[in-house]
Amino acid sequence: AQSVTQLDSQVPVFEEAPVELRCNYSSSVSVYLFWYVQYPNQGLQLLLKYLSGSTLVKGINGFEAEFNKSQTSFHLRKPSVHISDTAEYFCAVSVTQGGSEKLVFGKGTKLTVNP
Amino acid sequence: EPEVTQTPSHQVTQMGQEVILRCVPISNHLYFYWYRQILGQKVEFLVSFYNNEISEKSEIFDDQFSVERPDGSNFTLKIRSTKLEDSAMYFCASSRERGNTEAFFGQGTRLTVV
Repeated sequence: AQSVTQLDSQVPVFEEAPVELRCNYSSSVSVYLFWYVQYPNQGLQLLLKYLSGSTLVKGINGFEAEFNKSQTSFHLRKPSVHISDTAEYFCAVSVTQGGSEKLVFGKGTKLTVNP
Repeated sequence: EPEVTQTPSHQVTQMGQEVILRCVPISNHLYFYWYRQILGQKVEFLVSFYNNEISEKSEIFDDQFSVERPDGSNFTLKIRSTKLEDSAMYFCASSRERGNTEAFFGQGTRLTVV
């Protein structure tokens, strides 16, 4: 069964520091990978996605992620974070089987950006 | 910008009562989903819906749950007899295609069963 592992449940960083949020997936078939962000008391917003092509994908708010098939990873990075990036980040894989499709999420990483 | 809207934003109900969570997906989307997030846990898939029928449901989606698209715009999740463990944030999502496109999520309905 497909699964997503986010190794870090919480990541505290200082403002303007770089950050990497780790995500590993397991899947025996082609995958589509996503990062969603959830700001406090809000829904899920797509940051970026990997469908095919270039393994480095750029998203909103200066985030980027690199798909690494050999390491089955899709880590999220930002070179310089802001206070406003404080949120929970979810990595997800799209699983399509037969006629149905769903997202399988990781447990999330809570990013806290301190001044 | 089109968005998925969910009502109500908060719902408090007594154990054993029925609740209906409502969602208006984006108008040209064809695939609809419900997910839930128990406080402090990950987002879990409940059910997907396409062409007026359930495409897939998880083991969480037992006989107490049902979904319906009663008209051309609404997509509802009904919980027939709520239990304390049904307390969670419920997210509706829709997508235009399968797999290779973005699923747009609503703001969620926080359900509290007391």
